[in-house]
Amino acid sequence: QVTLKESGPVLVKPTETLTLTCTVSGFSLSNARMGVSWIRQPPGKALEWLAHIFSSDEKSYSTSLKSSLTISKDTSKSQVVLTMTNLDPVDTATYYCARIRRDSSGDYYFDFWGQGTLVTVSS
Amino acid sequence: SYELTQPPSVSVSPGQTARITCSGDSLPKKYAYWYQQKSGQAPVLVIYEDSKRPSGIPERFSGSSSGTMATLTISGAPVEDEADYYCCSTDSSVVFGGGTKLTVL
Repeated sequence: QVTLKESGPVLVKPTETLTLTCTVSGFSLSNARMGVSWIRQPPGKALEWLAHIFSSDEKSYSTSLKSSLTISKDTSKSQVVLTMTNLDPVDTATYYCARIRRDSSGDYYFDFWGQGTLVTVSS
Repeated sequence: SYELTQPPSVSVSPGQTARITCSGDSLPKKYAYWYQQKSGQAPVLVIYEDSKRPSGIPERFSGSSSGTMATLTISGAPVEDEADYYCCSTDSSVVFGGGTKLTVL
């Protein structure tokens, strides 16, 4: 059974750094066809992809947020960590991690999602 | 930057067919994926690679793509399919559409 679970602070102050952890089970982060992505959703708004990491350690970031994001993984702990620096109230959102599957064309999609964690940025 | 455009809302009566469109310049050469998000829940994949249905997704969900437009069709939509639906594709990065709120009543 594949599961993903996000953990991290509920409340963060502006300008601080956010660190979120995604703990996965039911699959290995060393699987060549799989990876993990972070996606967020501000209240009442659309989904926004943030970053992903594959077993090869290939990483990719949202162009608009690239300078503030870092993604990493610890395969032995089955964890993927996202850090976001210099937070602003507009970063208030539910943050999801999701498993990536590569499709037949080499593109990828999200076949399993965590329940999400709401992070509020406020002083 | 690459964008996917969806109608903000679609409304049907129970048992009718709902069609949700998604337009994007890269769709002729990139697959479309569709996610359903019910209120307060995480998204769920309902269609991948334009038209394939994951295990456990009802047959009433189908997808198609032609040119710059992908379409999610829900045949005979029950009230329980009321949700937000997002299309998604990848170009140089992952892009989600703005979402379509499907109302079934």
